[in-house]
Amino acid sequence: AQTVTQSQPEMSVQEAETVTLSCTYDTSESNYYLFWYKQPPSRQMILVIRQEAYKQQNATENRFSVNFQKAAKSFSLKISDSQLGDTAMYFCAFMKQGDSNYQLIWGAGTKLIIKP
Amino acid sequence: NAGVTQTPKFQVLKTGQSMTLQCAQDMNHEYMSWYRQDPGMGLRLIHYSVGAGITDQGEVPNGYNVSRSTTEDFPLRLLSAAPSQTSVYFCASSYFSGAGPTSSGYTFGSGTRLTVV
Repeated sequence: AQTVTQSQPEMSVQEAETVTLSCTYDTSESNYYLFWYKQPPSRQMILVIRQEAYKQQNATENRFSVNFQKAAKSFSLKISDSQLGDTAMYFCAFMKQGDSNYQLIWGAGTKLIIKP
Repeated sequence: NAGVTQTPKFQVLKTGQSMTLQCAQDMNHEYMSWYRQDPGMGLRLIHYSVGAGITDQGEVPNGYNVSRSTTEDFPLRLLSAAPSQTSVYFCASSYFSGAGPTSSGYTFGSGTRLTVV
């Protein structure tokens, strides 16, 4: 069974700083997807970035980028020039390609606080 | 706005009561699912559906029923509420391909906070 581990329950940084959130996962699969989701206090779950395991190039979305290390089974999220609106819970999630139930396996989350 | 709509947003039930959480999407997504979110844990899959008339169990299905009579709607029924079902419930949908939901990820509803006393 796949597992996803987020080792940082809470982090805080000053506005405009760069912050990196860690995520490791355990799987024997070769084909899968990885996601970072943001959950602000509004409770809405928002997709931040995704990565296909077969792609060596790290995904980027504006100020958000990932460091995908397939051999190490690591998928960290870097937020550059952090903003107050980035304050939220961040979840790392794994999905096996072709899984019979198309299930997302989630980490426990990291609470990120951006201080003014 | 297109998206996933969940109702109600908050609900308090007494132990043993039944209720239905509603989920509707207007994006013509084939795949729909229900997750529950508990403190200190990631989301866990309850039930899912890959199309109208097709449903199946996820990781934590006990105490819940679902049906999918239309593409748009995927209600979750609590048969006899228990305090262990106190949680936040999310409905999520996605387009469906032969390899599973598309890699763009899911669209989530805003959640229902359920408290069972």
